[in-house]
Amino acid sequence: QQQVKQSPQSLIVQKGGISIINCAYENTAFDYFPWYQQFPGKGPALLIAIRPDVSEKKEGRFTISFNKSAKQFSLHIMDSQPGDSATYFCAATGLSGAGSYQLTFGKGTKLSVIP
Amino acid sequence: SAVISQKPSRDICQRGTSLTIQCQVDSQVTMMFWYRQQPGQSLTLIATANQGSEATYESGFVIDKFPISRPNLTFSTLTVSNMSPEDSSIYLCSVGQGIMNTEAFFGQGTRLTVV
Repeated sequence: QQQVKQSPQSLIVQKGGISIINCAYENTAFDYFPWYQQFPGKGPALLIAIRPDVSEKKEGRFTISFNKSAKQFSLHIMDSQPGDSATYFCAATGLSGAGSYQLTFGKGTKLSVIP
Repeated sequence: SAVISQKPSRDICQRGTSLTIQCQVDSQVTMMFWYRQQPGQSLTLIATANQGSEATYESGFVIDKFPISRPNLTFSTLTVSNMSPEDSSIYLCSVGQGIMNTEAFFGQGTRLTVV
């Protein structure tokens, strides 16, 4: 059972445009929602994160919008640049059955920003 | 943030053999995680490794196939045993920091090809 659903699978945006990636979760016990950016040949890197008591968080060109009632959150990349071309993963974390906090990842979105 | 070094970065192995992947962290951490990422896919948690205790494996992963060592707070190894082509994947080491391990940092990964 996939607990975090991410869409779209791939996204092509023109330079200067807005990139929007959406995620939905099922487990109401999740209490932290990070986004990761991964370049080819590299491990994922934490980009931005939000807690469910906040509806929006902005860091530079990156904004997370969070809708707790709908159990959805999204990443907006403003003024998208070719250097933003990467795979983006949403994730959610909560207490696992083993008693540790674990990340559950979405399937990823491959973003291509074209000049 | 934690800096994680993984070795080897890539390897090509014969089926039936075993490969041990090393993960070194530049600071002491309680929890270390091992993930598998098949090409173009999301990250799947293999196991959680705490120093001084047995690793906790996720459903579908067993200790005989993926033995893990965690001898101290800065180092861990993952062995992929009796490899088959289906084990070809990227293996990633991760550490959790912050409250409830909500900040995750990843190594650059080990790209394994089994022939």
